[in-house]
Amino acid sequence: GQQLNQSPQSMFIQEGEDVSMNCTSSSIFNTWLWYKQDPGEGPVLLIALYKAGELTSNGRLTAQFGITRKDSFLNISASIPSDVGIYFCAGPPTSGTYKYIFGTGTRLKVLA
Amino acid sequence: DSGVTQTPKHLITATGQRVTLRCSPRSGDLSVYWYQQSLDQGLQFLIQYYNGEERAKGNILERFSAQQFPDLHSELNLSSLELGDSALYFCASSKLSREQFFGPGTRLTVL
Repeated sequence: GQQLNQSPQSMFIQEGEDVSMNCTSSSIFNTWLWYKQDPGEGPVLLIALYKAGELTSNGRLTAQFGITRKDSFLNISASIPSDVGIYFCAGPPTSGTYKYIFGTGTRLKVLA
Repeated sequence: DSGVTQTPKHLITATGQRVTLRCSPRSGDLSVYWYQQSLDQGLQFLIQYYNGEERAKGNILERFSAQQFPDLHSELNLSSLELGDSALYFCASSKLSREQFFGPGTRLTVL
C-alpha cells in the first residue's frame, strides 16, 4: 500500500538550531498536512499545503509542497525546548479516497 | 483546544469485553475520522463518516464498528477485545476532506 516515509526518524538538536525534516511518497499527493504530537496528546495541525511549490509559514515553522508532488519539507528555525515532540506529515492520496495516510514520524528532541 | 471532544479519556477493560468510544466534532464539521495509534507507532486510519454516512474504510477489524448520529457525534464500538487492541484512539473532524482537527484521544488498556 501507499506509504509516507519521513526522515530523519529522530534527531537531537541544540536549542537555537534550525531543523529540517522531509516526507516522501511513492505516489502523488494533492494536499500535505504537517502535525505535531506531544506524548499522549492528539496531533495538532501546524501547516496545510495545497499547491505544488507552495511555501507556507506559521511562526518559526515553514513548510513546502514539493514540485514533484511526491514530497514535502518542514523547517523549524531557532528551535526551543517546547518544539520537542513527534512531527507527522499526512495527506490524502490522489486516488480520490478520503483515507488520510500518516507518515512514520520524526521524533525531535531539543537539548537546552 | 481543537474543539473536538472525546470521552472517556482513559478506559481499562478486560479481554473479551466490549467498549464504546465517543467523539463530538467541531461545530460545523460534517466529517468524522477514527484513528488507532499503538505504542510509538503512527496513526492508522480506521473509518470516516460524512454527515451520517460511511465514506471510507481503512484497516478496521470486523470486531470494530462505528456510526455517526444525526447530531454528528460519532461512536466507535470495539468488541471481543484483545490485548493487542490496547492503543490510543483518536477522532478527528473536518469541514471538507482537507484539514483534520484531532481530539485528545481515548487511551484504551485491555488487560
